Amino acid sequence: GAVVSQHPSWVICKSGTSVKIECRSLDFQATTMFWYRQFPKQSLMLMATSNEGSKATYEQGVEKDKFLINHASLTLSTLTVTSAHPEDSSFYICSAPPSPGGDNEQFFGPGTRLTVL
Amino acid sequence: AQTVTQSQPEMSVQEAETVTLSCTYDTSESDYYLFWYKQPPSRQMILVIRQEAYKQQNATENRFSVNFQKAAKSFSLKISDSQLGDAAMYFCAHVGRGAQKLVFGQGTRLTINP
Repeated sequence: GAVVSQHPSWVICKSGTSVKIECRSLDFQATTMFWYRQFPKQSLMLMATSNEGSKATYEQGVEKDKFLINHASLTLSTLTVTSAHPEDSSFYICSAPPSPGGDNEQFFGPGTRLTVL
Repeated sequence: AQTVTQSQPEMSVQEAETVTLSCTYDTSESDYYLFWYKQPPSRQMILVIRQEAYKQQNATENRFSVNFQKAAKSFSLKISDSQLGDAAMYFCAHVGRGAQKLVFGQGTRLTINP
């Protein structure tokens, strides 16, 4: 199956700093990628849809200035958590459908655990 | 708006026995896909099984099968001959054909007792 990677797998940062998380599709091109946030023992919450070559689409309640998304190429999307605070500590997961139209499953990255001190 | 509901926060089963996880959904789509994903302690999301709504036949993947009741909007997962490696969070998900956003249920934590 298709492979999605994320980097880093975990990161610890100080409050007020920015953190960048990368999501790569390794063996397919993805015009769309999705970013999720998952708190302990909870479900995945969709944060935004990353669109190659255009602006990301954010879900209601997600601060676009806080969570910057850039989809610079067909294989790379980045999520930057700006001025991170302890409440931003969470598990962030990206996914990508290998073909447009939603006919196929989505492939998920292994996730990034962010801890803000 | 589409919603997915998993009413069992936790389930447990004895090793080698059968367990069924429940999922109901609400959708305005006439054609859609349903999925069960497994999230083990590593937190990597793994596709367990997929059902296309226009197919009446229930999907089966080895020990995993679904009971898809389209009229009732129900999509349960049956795990036969449960193994210790089946212990995980299980998420039911829906996506409309032509759409790409997955809508997840709340998840069911499955424990396998040896």
